[in-house]
Amino acid sequence: KNEVEQSPQNLTAQEGEFITINCSYSVGISALHWLQQHPGGGIVSLFMLSSGKKKHGRLIATINIQEKHSSLHITASHPRDSAVYICAALRKLAGNQFYFGTGTSLTVIP
Amino acid sequence: KAGVTQTPRYLIKTRGQQVTLSCSPISGHRSVSWYQQTPGQGLQFLFEYFSETQRNKGNFPGRFSGRQFSNSRSEMNVSTLELGDSALYLCASSWGQGNYNEQFFGPGTRLTVL
Repeated sequence: KNEVEQSPQNLTAQEGEFITINCSYSVGISALHWLQQHPGGGIVSLFMLSSGKKKHGRLIATINIQEKHSSLHITASHPRDSAVYICAALRKLAGNQFYFGTGTSLTVIP
Repeated sequence: KAGVTQTPRYLIKTRGQQVTLSCSPISGHRSVSWYQQTPGQGLQFLFEYFSETQRNKGNFPGRFSGRQFSNSRSEMNVSTLELGDSALYLCASSWGQGNYNEQFFGPGTRLTVL
């Protein structure tokens, strides 16, 4: 079993829809990152969360440390949001190490 | 400010060879982390360097190694290449010790092992 699980694996939405991607983790963490990867490989770090909620434009990320769960929301989705979204948990060990979810492939149709 | 650059962008090697990949971080960034991405395993953490010292290491065999220079540029080396080493290798830089800070990713080096 992976330490970090994401759902759904694939998601197709109509432009304008509200989108939620979920991430659950089974280990103690010190922070969780949400990453966006576009076709061609480029990765952008969207958020780093250790508690609560962060918002950037149409993107909102939340984390519930007690429930070991984080969500990424996209409001008013747009075709340019089509990408793979990856959550990465920073596990606190002797040395900090990232554990990655398998990613959610999002396609937004005009 | 220039972004993170990686060279080469594409590389083809044969089994048994070794390869060296380079990563130049954003000016002023002192931390460089390396990641391997494959279709089967997804993204996996390789190692992190900060101030020329390896701070963290993922679960990869000793064939994977790296180093960081005084100007924060980093190289990773893979010796005795195997077919399974074919992957996209990404590096990311950050100002502080990588994983607690926002990371900026390079475009990656796509390695194909034949």
